[in-house]
Amino acid sequence: AQSVTQLGSHVSVSEGALVLLRCNYSSSVPPYLFWYVQYPNQGLQLLLKYTSAATLVKGINGFEAEFKKSETSFHLTKPSAHMSDAAEYFCAVSDSGGYQKVTFGIGTKLQVIP
Amino acid sequence: NAGVTQTPKFQVLKTGQSMTLQCAQDMNHNSMYWYRQDPGMGLRLIYYSASEGTTDKGEVPNGYNVSRLNKREFSLRLESAAPSQTSVYFCASSEPRLGRSSYEQYFGPGTRLTVT
Repeated sequence: AQSVTQLGSHVSVSEGALVLLRCNYSSSVPPYLFWYVQYPNQGLQLLLKYTSAATLVKGINGFEAEFKKSETSFHLTKPSAHMSDAAEYFCAVSDSGGYQKVTFGIGTKLQVIP
Repeated sequence: NAGVTQTPKFQVLKTGQSMTLQCAQDMNHNSMYWYRQDPGMGLRLIYYSASEGTTDKGEVPNGYNVSRLNKREFSLRLESAAPSQTSVYFCASSEPRLGRSSYEQYFGPGTRLTVT
């Protein structure tokens, strides 16, 4: 069984400050891990993904995440927050294999304060 | 490419009414999914279709039925709508690959459904 825990349903940061969104996962097999972003009234779009190639993954809009197997974590970071980063962020996990069943976290709403 | 499209964007139903949510993708993906999104609960899988001709229940299938009409289209039907089905519904598609090659799900814009 696989699961995802996102710590903090709401996170507020000042514009220009570090963004850190936390995600811990549970999986019985080596996982695929994803971060998706959802802007208001839109669908989800992929920010970045981990598929075992490199533990530090870079995504769009300056975001990156580091896979830490010992901590079962995949935290999302961005060095300097921009107003346009305000959105909801979802961490997701999938086990390996041909069919992709993905389990999503409950989401973290990021507020960026001017 | 339009990606994943969903119709309608908004819908209001009375309790007991039925409706079908439509989804289509133009990326030639084999797998398609229906999720519902509720505040504080993230996305929950309703049904999925691993490939054309197959459908399976997800985490919350009760009250829903699906049809994989062809490789492009995957519809979700509410036979007798209930207020508990008020939600935002997302369709997604992906192309599963064996091994460690990467893949991800592509999402439609969603359908906001209110059942009164």
